[in-house]
Amino acid sequence: DAGVIQSPRHEVTEMGQEVTLRCKPISGHDYLFWYRQTMMRGLELLIYFNNNVPIDDSGMPEDRFSAKMPNASFSTLKIQPSEPRDSAVYFCASSLRVDQPQHFGDGTRLSIL
Amino acid sequence: EDQVTQSPEALRLQEGESSSLNCSYTVSGLRGLFWYRQDPGKGPEFLFTLYSAGEEKEKERLKATLTKKESFLHITAPKPEDSATYLCAVQARDTGRRALTFGSGTRLQVQP
Repeated sequence: DAGVIQSPRHEVTEMGQEVTLRCKPISGHDYLFWYRQTMMRGLELLIYFNNNVPIDDSGMPEDRFSAKMPNASFSTLKIQPSEPRDSAVYFCASSLRVDQPQHFGDGTRLSIL
Repeated sequence: EDQVTQSPEALRLQEGESSSLNCSYTVSGLRGLFWYRQDPGKGPEFLFTLYSAGEEKEKERLKATLTKKESFLHITAPKPEDSATYLCAVQARDTGRRALTFGSGTRLQVQP
């Protein structure tokens, strides 16, 4: 069984550039979650989708962040313009139902210079 | 606001030396408590879900228990391959709050 697939694994870019992170959830999972992990704040939920519809985006830091899920097998998290404080590891996770365990991808390590 | 506190922050054990990790939580109505293992450079890997006080789950050298205020992850006769960061998370029963709230984790190192 293929797990959650994220790309790229690493991204280094300069401040002000647009960054797009990609995620393919586990097939058949109805819920998709985007998290950010930093040393200071740990794992924090940014946004989650149910059946491709955004349900809770209260964790999105500001308008520079946006997320889409155009179909059941693909989601993107976009940062525009990027800032050094956005540097973190971004994880995507999916679950069959909302009360089922979430299965995580291996993350995208983002560095904004 | 849901809160999860894990202790200790770091733990170093000798191979075979059993110990326990603690996860204290505050949530207004617990739907589930989740334990994950995270290796460096990897995403969290699901271990257990506990739903009600008194429940226990086991997997190899790991056993998770739950009370109304905390959960323990007991590690019996650990091996070096058990070295990882262990994360605890809670999910509220409130239908408006389905996100997981994670603790900051316990970094476990098992020395041969």
